Amino acid sequence: SQKIEQNSEALNIQEGKTATLTCNYTNYSPAYLQWYRQDPGRGPVFLLLIRENEKEKRKERLKVTFDTTLKQSLFHITASQPADSATYLCALMNTGFQKLVFGTGTRLLVSP
Amino acid sequence: KAGVTQTPRYLIKTRGQQVTLSCSPISGHRSVSWYQQTPGQGLQFLFEYFSETQRNKGNFPGRFSGRQFSNSRSEMNVSTLELGDSALYLCASSPRTGKGSQETQYFGPGTRLLVL
Repeated sequence: SQKIEQNSEALNIQEGKTATLTCNYTNYSPAYLQWYRQDPGRGPVFLLLIRENEKEKRKERLKVTFDTTLKQSLFHITASQPADSATYLCALMNTGFQKLVFGTGTRLLVSP
Repeated sequence: KAGVTQTPRYLIKTRGQQVTLSCSPISGHRSVSWYQQTPGQGLQFLFEYFSETQRNKGNFPGRFSGRQFSNSRSEMNVSTLELGDSALYLCASSPRTGKGSQETQYFGPGTRLLVL
């Protein structure tokens, strides 16, 4: 069956460190993968999109990698800040462009 | 540009009732998608509308329906509410061209529905 898996346990890190979040998928042929941030009581906010033929994408302190052989995307936040504390969701669009499928998200807690 | 707006923000209903939720997309966006978010299942796709036509549908029962108007505003309806329908319902709009990918989804704040 098709699955998108993110670590359900919260990730706790100290301010200034790099946070790395993982998104694994099975039985998908992705056209692209996206990362979103969601704060409590709010809708997700788009952060980055990476296509299946791209290995890495950067935006300010954010970096996403995409390994279609390992069927995995890694999301990095460098020099993390308490304001980065939120739930981060990965979302995958299959080839055929039918619907965006979301992982369940990983909660990140950055301590001062 | 104003963001995606959803009304109402909170709603309490009882089992068996029906509910209608409204979504106004970002100006110029023609694609509107609806999602249900629960702690156990995460964010699940309900359906997508583009130019007043349902383009894609998720795996939800027929009690869940929607429509889109000529101004791209969308409504979703849930009939015969069940306790398990309690969730955050999110609407997202996208500048989809109709030629392929949805690209970025711009989400509204959601409507929190509680079914008693």
